Formats: sequence, structure tokens, C-alpha cells
Amino acid sequence: DAKTTQPPSMDCAEGRAANLPCNHSTISGNEYVYWYRQIHSQGPQYIIHGLKNNETNEMASLIITEDRKSSTLILPHATLRDTAVYYCIVRGLIPGTYKYIFGTGTRLKVLA
Amino acid sequence: GAGVSQTPSNKVTEKGKYVELRCDPISGHTALYWYRQSLGQGPEFLIYFQGTGAADDSGLPNDRFFAVRPEGSVSTLKIQRTERGDSAVYLCASSPGRHNEQFFGPGTRLTVL
Repeated sequence: DAKTTQPPSMDCAEGRAANLPCNHSTISGNEYVYWYRQIHSQGPQYIIHGLKNNETNEMASLIITEDRKSSTLILPHATLRDTAVYYCIVRGLIPGTYKYIFGTGTRLKVLA
Repeated sequence: GAGVSQTPSNKVTEKGKYVELRCDPISGHTALYWYRQSLGQGPEFLIYFQGTGAADDSGLPNDRFFAVRPEGSVSTLKIQRTERGDSAVYLCASSPGRHNEQFFGPGTRLTVL
């Protein structure tokens, strides 16, 4: 079973920030939080990952709470091309935990 | 550079037939993963290779499913005696090492009639 829970769907106005939440209350100390997105009929695309510090790259920012039990993916200026299913995944670095266990994700719709 | 490629992109077969799905990982990537995705669901892990060996095959649903990676590069997922429930998109991913993020291919859509 997935170790994460996400809202099934969200809408966001084009040009606004999209904030996608994820709960991972059973995360272990050596487990990372990964975010992927999947645009219709394509394979999942890597966005960002983090352990406990906030992370930012050219695509998004990842905010992880201090207790690490939840996180938020932020797309700072959403565009129509950001419409996709977003998956939050918890993944370890010890044998047996390298695989991704996907949940059902959040379907983000960016509205014009 | 070239990403992960999968062939065929679509495969239609009849119940009971044997199918092979191919994955070409990114050059130099030592880790390779197979997942399958049913409609409306997130991808489900099947098997993970580190080099030539299957390091984790805990996701293979039954003994009709088998995968190989004989030279540590290309991998083939083999499904015997296909069933209608095997219909799904089969995704392959590779990564430079087991601790790195995974890069996914476009998938093979398998339809079992």
C-alpha cells in the first residue's frame, strides 16, 4: 500500500501558484519524498525530491514540514501544460525500498 | 539525449497467447524497473534489476510473468498464457543507480482480447 495520501483532484487558475499537499505520516527517517507527474498517455515525469530540507528547482518547490509527516509541492506559476496527475511517493535507500509505491495521485486541472 | 524507449508502443493479443515487451534504458543506467498501470490507477511495481540480476521481484503477480536483463542493459518482460486482466500499460524506468530518481519510458499498452 502507498505510504502517502493526496486529495484526488484540484483546480488552479492559470498563472497562479498550485499548491499540492501530501500526507506521509508514517515516513521513516531514511525515506525521501519524491514527486512525479503524469500527463495523459505519457510515462511519469520526475519533478523533485527531498529528505527534510525544502528544495527548489526549475520546475517546482518542495516544502517538507519539520516533523516530515507532510509536504507540499508548489508550482509557482501554473500553465495549462501543468495539467496532469501528480504523485507523491515515499522511497527509501535500503534494499527492498528502492521501488516506488504509487498512490492514485492528485489530478490537477489548470484553468484558463 | 535519448530517454527510455519501449517497444512496441501498443500490443494487442488474444487470451492465452505469449507476449514479450522490450525496454531500452538510458545508456549507462544500471538500475531498471518495470511497473504496470491499470486505467485510473497509479503505476504498480513489478520488478527491479540492478545490473543483470533481479534484485526485487516481489511485485510480479504470478509465475506467468517473468523478466530478464541478460547483459545489464535491455530488458524484456515476458507474459505467458495472457489473461484479460493483464491488459494495462506496462512502464519501464531506469536510473543511474539504485539511489537515484527513475526516468520512465512512454509505456507499452497491452490489450488482451
